[in-house]
Amino acid sequence: DVKVTQSSRYLVKRTGEKVFLECVQDMDHENMFWYRQDPGLGLRLIYFSYDVKMKEKGDIPEGYSVSREKKERFSLILESASTNQTSMYLCASSFWSYEAGGRNEQFFGPGTRLTVL
Amino acid sequence: QKEVEQDPGPLSVPEGAIVSLNCTYSNSAFQYFMWYRQYSRKGPELLMYTYSSGNKEDGRFTAQVDKSSKYISLFIRDSQPSDSATYLCAMSGGNFGNEKLTFGTGTRLTIIP
Repeated sequence: DVKVTQSSRYLVKRTGEKVFLECVQDMDHENMFWYRQDPGLGLRLIYFSYDVKMKEKGDIPEGYSVSREKKERFSLILESASTNQTSMYLCASSFWSYEAGGRNEQFFGPGTRLTVL
Repeated sequence: QKEVEQDPGPLSVPEGAIVSLNCTYSNSAFQYFMWYRQYSRKGPELLMYTYSSGNKEDGRFTAQVDKSSKYISLFIRDSQPSDSATYLCAMSGGNFGNEKLTFGTGTRLTIIP
């Protein structure tokens, strides 16, 4: 069964703290994504990675960085947390294969609700 | 203007009703269209996947794409309380795994028993 796990369901941090959000997938997927989800704004892509040690900026990368040292793990880092980074953070993974019908379905984790005080 | 517009709702309908959820988009390069369902405190999961224009049916769910009008719909027949969730449309220009998806804001749906 497809599984994407995120290290915490709820997290409370203080302004200025360095925050690590971890995501692990057990499907051997090449591609991994970090989104944040806010009411009225939907899912917005922060960063994605299509291979180990590779990363690409999404639509809102400012204030974030990522790390992908192993294929199954993709970390989102908030270097200095701010209150406007209070949000739901969702990790996803995907792969592509002709045999699978060529679909770019993304599989999501349960999310981490981060509150920055 | 957002690339993808979706009515946020909330939408409440009685059990058994037909539900229509819609998205409009502006980027004519979009060719792959998806509907994700997200239950409360869970991540989104893929519900329907379609390519280009036309209809696709899966049980009580029908996805419809009209590329000429840049309009996609999801119909739910014989709606059930278990259909209560937020529905997100998503789309991309290609179908490779590293393609970015552009999401709508989601419509919160409640089916009243």
